Amino acid sequence: KNEVEQSPQNLTAQEGEFITINCSYSVGISALHWLQQHPGGGIVSLFMLSSGKKKHGRLIATINIQEKHSSLHITASHPRDSAVYICAVEGAQKLVFGQGTRLTINP
Amino acid sequence: DTAVSQTPKYLVTQMGNDKSIKCEQNLGHDTMYWYKQDSKKFLKIMFSYNNKELIINETVPNRFSPKSPDKAHLNLHINSLELGDSAVYFCASSPFLNTGELFFGEGSRLTVL
Repeated sequence: KNEVEQSPQNLTAQEGEFITINCSYSVGISALHWLQQHPGGGIVSLFMLSSGKKKHGRLIATINIQEKHSSLHITASHPRDSAVYICAVEGAQKLVFGQGTRLTINP
Repeated sequence: DTAVSQTPKYLVTQMGNDKSIKCEQNLGHDTMYWYKQDSKKFLKIMFSYNNKELIINETVPNRFSPKSPDKAHLNLHINSLELGDSAVYFCASSPFLNTGELFFGEGSRLTVL
C-alpha cells in the first residue's frame, strides 16, 4: 500500500461542477503539496499547506492533520482545469507522491 | 526567463550509451532535486542537493551520478543506459531543504531503445 493514496484516480465532470479530489496519507508529515500536471507534461505547484485551509482563485485546499487527510476543491470547473492533480507529502527529508488524479472537464 | 530549465527536453538513445541531462535554476534557491516519472505517471524522488551537498540518494543505481557544480545547477549523468531507464526526468528547486514551494522544470523525456 502506497504511503499516499488519492481518490478518485479518474474523474470526469461537466463544466461548472464542483470538484473534490482527496488525499490520505499514513506517515507523519511536515507539509503537504498539491501539484498540477498539464496535458503537455509540465508540473506546477498549487498549494503547500501544513494546517487549515488555503484558497487561490477557484481552488481551495484543506488539510486535517489528525485524520491524515487533505482535499483539493475546484469551484466552477472549466475545461482548462483538465489535468492530473498530484498530492505529495513531506516527511523524512523527502517528498512522497500519490499516484495522481486525472481530471477531465467537458464543455 | 524560465525559472527552472532543463535540457534536453527529449532524448532518444540506444541501450548501453551514456547521456546527461542538465538543470539550471535562476531563483536563488538552495535546494535542487531530481525526480523520475514512470510510464504510469508516478513520481519518485531520486536525489536532493542542498547548497551543492548531496542530501538524499534514494536507492538509485550507481549508474546515475548527479553533479552540482554550484547551487544553481544540478546535472544528471546516466551510464550504461537500460530499457528501464526510459521515463520523464524532472528537475525541481525549493528555497531551502524541504521548505517552501517547489518549482519544476519542464521535464526531459528519455527513451532508451
